[in-house]
Amino acid sequence: EAGVAQSPRYKIIEKRQSVAFWCNPISGHATLYWYQQILGQGPKLLIQFQNNGVVDDSQLPKDRFSAERLKGVDSTLKIQPAKLEDSAVYLCASSGLERQGEQYFGPGTRLTVT
Amino acid sequence: AQSVTQPDIHITVSEGASLELRCNYSYGATPYLFWYVQSPGQGLQLLLKYFSGDTLVQGIKGFEAEFKRSQSSFNLRKPSVHWSDAAEYFCAVASGGSNYKLTFGKGTLLTVNP
Repeated sequence: EAGVAQSPRYKIIEKRQSVAFWCNPISGHATLYWYQQILGQGPKLLIQFQNNGVVDDSQLPKDRFSAERLKGVDSTLKIQPAKLEDSAVYLCASSGLERQGEQYFGPGTRLTVT
Repeated sequence: AQSVTQPDIHITVSEGASLELRCNYSYGATPYLFWYVQSPGQGLQLLLKYFSGDTLVQGIKGFEAEFKRSQSSFNLRKPSVHWSDAAEYFCAVASGGSNYKLTFGKGTLLTVNP
């Protein structure tokens, strides 16, 4: 079984530029999560999808961050415009109904904003 | 609001020694508790979880954890550490219901000396 795929693995941009991250969850997993992990901290949930609907986006900075999961499979997370404090690893995770509560994480995208 | 405290930022043990990583949580109802491990440049891997039942849970790679409601703790243990266990360990708590929103601690970095 293939794991959660993310791309790119690394991205360096200048502040005020835009950037997008892509995630492909484990096949059949209805729930998809995006986390932000700042150096030295644990991951923080940004947004959670159930199929293509948003379940929780209470911690998503909506003035600059957006996310979509149009067909209930792949998802993209966008930042526009980026700030220095957005430098972090962005992790995507997915979970399925058969083992609820178990989230499977991708390798992450390391974003550096200069 | 739920929260997780991992009191130890960094722990160093010798290979073959026993290990205990501490985790304290704050949550009003019965929590769902998890331990994840993150190797450098990798995503998070689930070690074990507690939902209900036996308070001593077994996980992968020889790890176990014990849920103690009276102490609001969920400490991770391993009787004999291997050099490959060097990584960062995260404790997490999830709310109930259907969305399993995870709140992570800040992590404990484990160094293993030969």
